[in-house]
Amino acid sequence: QLQLQESGPGLVKPSETLSLTCTVSGGSISSANYYWAWIRQPPGKGLDWIGSIFYSGSTDYNPSLKSRATISVDTSKNQFSLKLSSVTAADTALYYCAREYLVGATSAFFDIWGQGTMVTVSS
Amino acid sequence: QSVLTQPPSVSGAPGQRVTISCTGSSSNIGAGYDVHWYQHLPRTAPKLLIFGNSNRPSGVPDRFSGSKSGTSASLAITGLQAEDEADYYCQSYDNSLSGWVFGGGTKLTVL
Repeated sequence: QLQLQESGPGLVKPSETLSLTCTVSGGSISSANYYWAWIRQPPGKGLDWIGSIFYSGSTDYNPSLKSRATISVDTSKNQFSLKLSSVTAADTALYYCAREYLVGATSAFFDIWGQGTMVTVSS
Repeated sequence: QSVLTQPPSVSGAPGQRVTISCTGSSSNIGAGYDVHWYQHLPRTAPKLLIFGNSNRPSGVPDRFSGSKSGTSASLAITGLQAEDEADYYCQSYDNSLSGWVFGGGTKLTVL
């Protein structure tokens, strides 16, 4: 069955760029029915959608992070990635990648999630 | 402050019924957008519980049900079991933010 696995550094210095990759296994990232998303959860807080990408490269971002977030896709490796620039302690969170099933332009749900990877921003 | 408001915690005894509310506004749930629900057990990936307001994915017990009315949605769990102890999140679309939004989460404690 389809599985997602996040990878990347667990510690990032303030003002630097956070970089994470999500590897999709057991299925193709190049599916017309799905977007691929990044979602994070700061310690003790709720879930926060960061952004999503289609296999063609089309992206959507949370407006609150749009200026700092970049999501890209590598279909040859069945991976998609997140870069978040100019990080601060507020970006410390558990970062999840997830498959986003798009029902319509204003309805989508996240049906498969990775286990998550903790990223701490600290000097 | 989450766009969708959930109670921080609810509790119930085994076998009982509990409901978790998700209150939004005219820019999300009240605009008619679908609500989806997730169950998040500690140290595991969140799990889709309800999609499209009231639909259960394959494998989710019918003890879990969802509904939506006006600017709110609810998740009901009947026949409460110890394994239901988890955090629950609602999710929808918000047209003023032009993106997907989550509730703040509700911690369910099985007494």
